[in-house]
Amino acid sequence: GDSVTQMEGPVTLSEEAFLTINCTYTATGYPSLFWYVQYPGEGLQLLLKATKADDKGSNKGFEATYRKETTSFHLEKGSVQVSDSAVYFCALRFGSQGGKLIFGQGTELSVKP
Amino acid sequence: NAGVTQTPKFRILKIGQSMTLQCTQDMNHNYMYWYRQDPGMGLKLIYYSVGAGITDKGEVPNGYNVSRSTTEDFPLRLELAAPSQTSVYFCASSTQGANTEAFFGQGTRLTVV
Repeated sequence: GDSVTQMEGPVTLSEEAFLTINCTYTATGYPSLFWYVQYPGEGLQLLLKATKADDKGSNKGFEATYRKETTSFHLEKGSVQVSDSAVYFCALRFGSQGGKLIFGQGTELSVKP
Repeated sequence: NAGVTQTPKFRILKIGQSMTLQCTQDMNHNYMYWYRQDPGMGLKLIYYSVGAGITDKGEVPNGYNVSRSTTEDFPLRLELAAPSQTSVYFCASSTQGANTEAFFGQGTRLTVV
């Protein structure tokens, strides 16, 4: 079945370090891909998305590129801040089957000053 | 803008009790979802609905029931609560389409003792 796999956390970085969170997916078709972020005590909110191969999603300094050949959607940021500390979820979605989102297990990021 | 509102935020139940988690959205979204979030496991889909009067099972529906009598409301019913249902529950809504954003509520933290 369709699934998403993320690198395990927690990831601990110093402020201004480079961030990569790996995400790979298995899908029978061509889904849209998303990164959601969950700040402590809150619900999930959309960080960025890409809807077709080679699309790059970007927001708040974060970027991810939809790579069909490697079935990947890795999240990157050039210089993290303490305020980026959160749990990050990679997800895929098709238009059929009720448009349900299929999530990875989440990666906790902790940024130290 | 209210978005997706869940109540209650916290609840402790005894084994065998029942309760209803409320979810309402004011964005006129057709699609609504219930997820549960367990540590290190990501979000698992419990039930979803593509419109009033239509519901369908997700990945982990056992022990839960839903109804969708209006576009706005999508309550989740727990019958005969069990410790395995201790989790954080999120309701979400979206418009139709693979590339649209899903909006999440703040979550309900449920403990069954």
